[in-house]
Amino acid sequence: AQSVAQPEDQVNVAEGNPLTVKCTYSVSGNPYLFWYVQYPNRGLQFLLKYITGDNLVKGSYGFEAEFNKSQTSFHLKKPSALVSDSALYFCAVRDMNRDDKIIFGKGTRLHILP
Amino acid sequence: KAGVTQTPRYLIKTRGQQVTLSCSPISGHRSVSWYQQTPGQGLQFLFEYFSETQRNKGNFPGRFSGRQFSNSRSEMNVSTLELGDSALYLCASSLVLASGTEAFFGQGTRLTVV
Repeated sequence: AQSVAQPEDQVNVAEGNPLTVKCTYSVSGNPYLFWYVQYPNRGLQFLLKYITGDNLVKGSYGFEAEFNKSQTSFHLKKPSALVSDSALYFCAVRDMNRDDKIIFGKGTRLHILP
Repeated sequence: KAGVTQTPRYLIKTRGQQVTLSCSPISGHRSVSWYQQTPGQGLQFLFEYFSETQRNKGNFPGRFSGRQFSNSRSEMNVSTLELGDSALYLCASSLVLASGTEAFFGQGTRLTVV
């Protein structure tokens, strides 16, 4: 069965510093990987995805993520954090080879400190 | 183009009652998924529909059910409500099933069971 782990419940970063939100996954086949962001009292907004090809994926709002097959990771990164990046971030995976659902991690709350 | 619309936005019900939530996907999207979001459990997958057929189901009791209509609109029903059913229920639509296309989320229905 597929699964996603976000090992950190919360990440604190000073404004202007680089940020990383960690995600590891487990699927039986090849993965489709996604990152979403959720602001208070809102649904999830799509940030970026990895389907195939270049391991470094660029997405919305200056975010990027690196697919690492050997480490089964898909960490979210941004070179310089903004206070407005403070939100709840979800990693998600779908098994490419199966007719299966998208599974989400439990989320990581990102706090950007001014 | 209109996004995913969920109605109602807020609901208060008493234990033992039943509730029906509605989701209108993005025009042209044929896949609709439902998730339950709670602070402790993150996003839990409920079910996924494609072309009026349930394609995947999560690990929820039979009190939780859903359906999809020919216009791709979907409803989920929870019978015999329990206090623990209080949560944000999110609907997501995507163009096709089991692919790398991302899901787009509605703002959710906040259900409170008292």
